[in-house]
Amino acid sequence: DVKVTQSSRYLVKRTGEKVFLECVQDMDHENMFWYRQDPGLGLRLIYFSYDVKMKEKGDIPEGYSVSREKKERFSLILESASTNQTSMYLCATRDGRARRAGVLFFGEGSRLTVL
Amino acid sequence: KQEVTQIPAALSVPEGENLVLNCSFTDSAIYNLQWFRQDPGKGLTSLLLIQSSQREQTSGRLNASLDKSSGRSTLYIAASQPGDSATYLCAVREMKTSYDKVIFGPGTSLSVIP
Repeated sequence: DVKVTQSSRYLVKRTGEKVFLECVQDMDHENMFWYRQDPGLGLRLIYFSYDVKMKEKGDIPEGYSVSREKKERFSLILESASTNQTSMYLCATRDGRARRAGVLFFGEGSRLTVL
Repeated sequence: KQEVTQIPAALSVPEGENLVLNCSFTDSAIYNLQWFRQDPGKGLTSLLLIQSSQREQTSGRLNASLDKSSGRSTLYIAASQPGDSATYLCAVREMKTSYDKVIFGPGTSLSVIP
């Protein structure tokens, strides 16, 4: 079975703190994605990566960075958390051999609250 | 600009009914369309993916169809059960953007009443 694990399901942080959200997959997928989901705005792509050491900006990269040092792990970093980054963060993966055709698999989500 | 809409926004049905969820998209230049379910506070679970060259896909009680020319997809759920209660989202994989672009619909919230 496909497994995408987001290490933290619920986090509460203070404004200005540095926040790390971790995503690990066991499917040997090349492609990994970070989305945020907000009521009324739906899912929006923050960053994605097609392979190790690669990263690409999505629709809303401001205030975020990412790290992909190993194929199975894709980290989302909030350098200085702000209240408008309170959201549900969703990691997804896809088989890179089927970039145009492949299924997106999601993790369970990380609910971040910034006070 | 691609837009994905889902009607209705919410639906409540008695257990055992067959039901149809609708997804519309404005630009037919897509690679595929994927249906997901999302339980409250959880991530998205993939249900079905239809490639642009396909007309439908089936999995158990679920059947998804795709009419690219009219920009529509439907998700048919047979013999609904309370466990089917969730939000259902559709998403299209665009062709025209230079980077990986999946556009999600806002979802249909389904309640199946025992």
